[in-house]
Amino acid sequence: GAVVSQHPSRVICKSGTSVKIECRSLDFQATTMFWYRQFPKQSLMLMATSNEGSKATYEQGVEKDKFLINHASLTLSTLTVTSAHPEDSSFYICSAGTPSSTDTQYFGPGTRLTVL
Amino acid sequence: DAKTTQPNSMESNEEEPVHLPCNHSTISGTDYIHWYRQLPSQGPEYVIHGLTSNVNNRMASLAIAEDRKSSTLILHRATLRDAAVYYCIPSSNFGNEKLTFGTGTRLTIIP
Repeated sequence: GAVVSQHPSRVICKSGTSVKIECRSLDFQATTMFWYRQFPKQSLMLMATSNEGSKATYEQGVEKDKFLINHASLTLSTLTVTSAHPEDSSFYICSAGTPSSTDTQYFGPGTRLTVL
Repeated sequence: DAKTTQPNSMESNEEEPVHLPCNHSTISGTDYIHWYRQLPSQGPEYVIHGLTSNVNNRMASLAIAEDRKSSTLILHRATLRDAAVYYCIPSSNFGNEKLTFGTGTRLTIIP
């Protein structure tokens, strides 16, 4: 199956700093990418839908000015957590869909963010 | 989005078959039933999907009720590596539609 990578896999930062997480589709072009957040013992919650070349669509309750999403190419989407605070500590997961209407969605391995 | 109901947790002995149920009584006629699983500290992994007919692949089988209001994921011979949270997700599209994850079923495999 197709491969989606994320970088970094783990990041620790100080409160108030910004952190960028990259999501790459390695062997296919992803017209749509999704960003999820998962807190301990909870399920995945969709944060936003990212379409190449256009603005991301954010889910209700997700601050678009805090979680900046850029999908500049068909293989790369980035999520920047601006002015991170301890409550932003979470497991961030991206997924990507191929242009094929019969293909499934592929998930990255996740990025563990810890804000001190 | 169709609402799903799954047991919070299940246990199975290693090398035994496992049947993971999912109720999706509000599923629409065009929704496929997708199953994903999430191993500890990893992103979800696709398992199988189907529309009406039962489906088999190298990982599992999917049995879909005739009225499509429920489905069962079958792991024919559970291994320790199958310990994960299993999610069933109705969705009308494959790659380009957001997936709504429920609470899933945490499967524990007993050696």
